[in-house]
Amino acid sequence: DGGITQSPKYLFRKEGQNVTLSCEQNLNHDAMYWYRQDPGQGLRLIYYSQIVNDFQKGDIAEGYSVSREKKESFPLTVTSAQKNPTAFYLCASSMVGRHEQFFGPGTRLTVL
Amino acid sequence: QKEVEQNSGPLSVPEGAIASLNCTYSDRGSQSFFWYRQYSGKSPELIMFIYSNGDKEDGRFTAQLNKASQYVSLLIRDSQPSDSATYLCAVNKGAETSYDKVIFGPGTSLSVIP
Repeated sequence: DGGITQSPKYLFRKEGQNVTLSCEQNLNHDAMYWYRQDPGQGLRLIYYSQIVNDFQKGDIAEGYSVSREKKESFPLTVTSAQKNPTAFYLCASSMVGRHEQFFGPGTRLTVL
Repeated sequence: QKEVEQNSGPLSVPEGAIASLNCTYSDRGSQSFFWYRQYSGKSPELIMFIYSNGDKEDGRFTAQLNKASQYVSLLIRDSQPSDSATYLCAVNKGAETSYDKVIFGPGTSLSVIP
């Protein structure tokens, strides 16, 4: 089955810790995205990548970092510099040149 | 003005009725319009997309686009309790930069009452 997987489903972090969220896709999509969703708000773009070894900051990149070493994988690290990291994190992918984005199941991060 | 606006709801309709969800956008250069359905605690699922003015039908769903009014809507006919979810409107920003970003609205919560 083609799709996008994210792990873990739930993640708890102590203040001051860095954590990495996994995102893998087997749809052969070139573009991948990370969004953050907070209650009552739309999705906000953190980072995106349109090709391997290249990525760009979105609207709220401060406190986050990414890598894109493989086409299938786009991990997101939430660093201790992110002041309010508790949120629902969504990874998505699309074909380059197409706007339809397909989402993984999400990771819910809670800072204790 | 926000780039993509939706009524937050909740919108309540009786089972079997037509649910009408509305979305306005600010960028006149937008060309692609999407509706996603998001169940509570789950990720968004793409259910409709439309590129041209007019109506596009897919089963019980109809997307309507009016670029002159910068308005896109989603109609759900014969609403079912399983349609109860938050519906996100998404619009591409327009080719001002090398990356044509998609902007998501805050979503409208729909409740279908049995």
